[in-house]
Amino acid sequence: DGGITQSPKYLFRKEGQNVTLSCEQNLNHDAMYWYRQDPGQGLRLIYYSQIVNDFQKGDIAEGYSVSREKKESFPLTVTSAQKNPTAFYLCASKTSSSGGNTIYFGEGSWLTVV
Amino acid sequence: KQEVTQIPAALSVPEGENLVLNCSFTDSAIYNLQWFRQDPGKGLTSLLLIQSSQREQTSGRLNASLDKSSGRSTLYIAASQPGDSATYLCAVNAGNNRKLIWGLGTSLAVNP
Repeated sequence: DGGITQSPKYLFRKEGQNVTLSCEQNLNHDAMYWYRQDPGQGLRLIYYSQIVNDFQKGDIAEGYSVSREKKESFPLTVTSAQKNPTAFYLCASKTSSSGGNTIYFGEGSWLTVV
Repeated sequence: KQEVTQIPAALSVPEGENLVLNCSFTDSAIYNLQWFRQDPGKGLTSLLLIQSSQREQTSGRLNASLDKSSGRSTLYIAASQPGDSATYLCAVNAGNNRKLIWGLGTSLAVNP
């Protein structure tokens, strides 16, 4: 089935550790996105990529890093510099970054700092 | 700066009722507007996408309208069912194609 796969579903991080969230899509989409969702706040854009080997910062990129070496994959690393990383992380993709297309989401990953 | 507001924040209705969820935006210069559904602890599912040139879109029991001049969109759910219980979010594409502006959502509970 076509779709977006995020892993792991649940992840626990110790203080000072970097962790990487995986996002894989088999929809042949060019554009991919990472959002963060916190209670009482709207979705906030962390990073996005319009094409392989290119990505841009979103609204809250500090403490995060990404790579886009393959069209299908857009992993997000939460570094120790992110002071409040506990949140629900959502990966999404679109056919292209042009505005007329529907955006598709993965099932999300829960990150908790312990 | 574009802002998106959804009212009410929460809604509880008995099964079978027709209901309307509201989404308002401050800048009418939008490219499109989308409605999404999110079940607890899950990702988002796109329900309807309305282009700026369109007035409404329909899918099954769902109908979404768009009035750019007044900065409003409504999501109409006919004959609500307990399975409709979820959070409904709207997002505006303000022309900066990389970025959607999100509302906080309406949490809907449909009671049997």
